[in-house]
Amino acid sequence: GDSVTQTEGQVALSEEDFLTIHCNYSASGYPTLFWYVQYPGEGPQLLFRASRDKEKGSSRGFEATYDKGTTSFHLRKASVQESDSAVYYCALSSNQGGSAKLIFGEGTKLTVSS
Amino acid sequence: NTKITQSPRYLILGRANKSLECEQHLGHNAMYWYKQSAEKPPELMFLYNLKQLIRNETVPSRFIPECPDSSKLLLHISAVDPEDSAVYFCASSQCDSISNERLFFGHGTKLSVL
Repeated sequence: GDSVTQTEGQVALSEEDFLTIHCNYSASGYPTLFWYVQYPGEGPQLLFRASRDKEKGSSRGFEATYDKGTTSFHLRKASVQESDSAVYYCALSSNQGGSAKLIFGEGTKLTVSS
Repeated sequence: NTKITQSPRYLILGRANKSLECEQHLGHNAMYWYKQSAEKPPELMFLYNLKQLIRNETVPSRFIPECPDSSKLLLHISAVDPEDSAVYFCASSQCDSISNERLFFGHGTKLSVL
């Protein structure tokens, strides 16, 4: 079945550090890829999405490029802030029985210290 | 987030029956229940797409969803089990294009089973 793999379970950075969270996917066809962010006590919220090869999604300084060749959608940010501390989920939309199902990776907990 | 409201926010139960409620004010045509256990990503339990139910077959039969209208979603739980302790998120989306589906999540109901 379709799946998403995030290799970093936890990332600890200082403010203004560069961030990379790796995401690789396995899916048939051409899934839409997403990055969601979840703050404590809240539901996940969409950062951005991409649905075509080489398409770049971006929001709030975060960005990721859909790469069908390497089946990747890595999240990057040039300079993180303490307020970016949260759990980040890579996800894909999988068509099942005529309806889309969102499949999440295991998540990466980002902690940014000042 | 007042666009998707869930009640109650917190629930502590013994082996009892209870219903979780969700209402979305976004005019979406698809609604979902997700279960998120501690330190885990959200996992889809049920999906109502244009009132058609799609279920995750691994969900125990003591969980019964109900969709009284397109804006409301209920989750009835009979004889809760300690393994049911988790946060239950309601989500909604507009299924115009399956591959571009974006989910909006509520704040969740945190269920603790004694």
